[in-house]
Amino acid sequence: EPEVTQTPSHQVTQMGQEVILRCVPISNHLYFYWYRQILGQKVEFLVSFYNNEISEKSEIFDDQFSVERPDGSNFTLKIRSTKLEDSAMYFCASRGGTAYEQYFGPGTRLTVT
Amino acid sequence: GESVGLHLPTLSVQEGDNSIINCAYSNSASDYFIWYKQESGKGPQFIIDIRSNMDKRQGQRVTVLLNKTVKHLSLQIAATQPGDSAVYFCAENHYGGSQGNLIFGKGTKLSVKP
Repeated sequence: EPEVTQTPSHQVTQMGQEVILRCVPISNHLYFYWYRQILGQKVEFLVSFYNNEISEKSEIFDDQFSVERPDGSNFTLKIRSTKLEDSAMYFCASRGGTAYEQYFGPGTRLTVT
Repeated sequence: GESVGLHLPTLSVQEGDNSIINCAYSNSASDYFIWYKQESGKGPQFIIDIRSNMDKRQGQRVTVLLNKTVKHLSLQIAATQPGDSAVYFCAENHYGGSQGNLIFGKGTKLSVKP
């Protein structure tokens, strides 16, 4: 069964450093998303991406964040200068063109020290 | 503003009993609702969804009920098993107005006692 994959599973970085989180969505899906979950809290929407551009973004997704689909399979989230409060689980999700359900990857745990 | 919340943060049930997890939403424009199961250290796993033109949908051992009048959503799990122990999130979206960013509730932790 196809699934969303994410790498790395855990990333530790120092405050101020740049990180890139990687995702491989399900191959025939057209809509891509990033969410985050701070420990013990609910999942929060960051950004959606369709047709090679951002469709929507939340207030969390400020100028320090960017997304890219560099090729036909990868979808990345870049945080330019990490802050302590960026520490969270980051989930990638994707969905097909006509279906509404989103399928989530296993997440990347980002720890900023 | 938009919000999706859960009435009970924790639920403990005996193995074999039925479980009911509740969720309230406030955006009357929401037209799509979805339940996810999240096990420790893993990503949200799709369970079942329902569109606003329906009030009930059944899957394998799970049923979702939607009451638009009171903006309430529930997930029923029949014959709960230890493997059902997880945190359950409801989420909503207004697909008519967006590309599908889901708004999640806080989650209910379901514990199944053997």
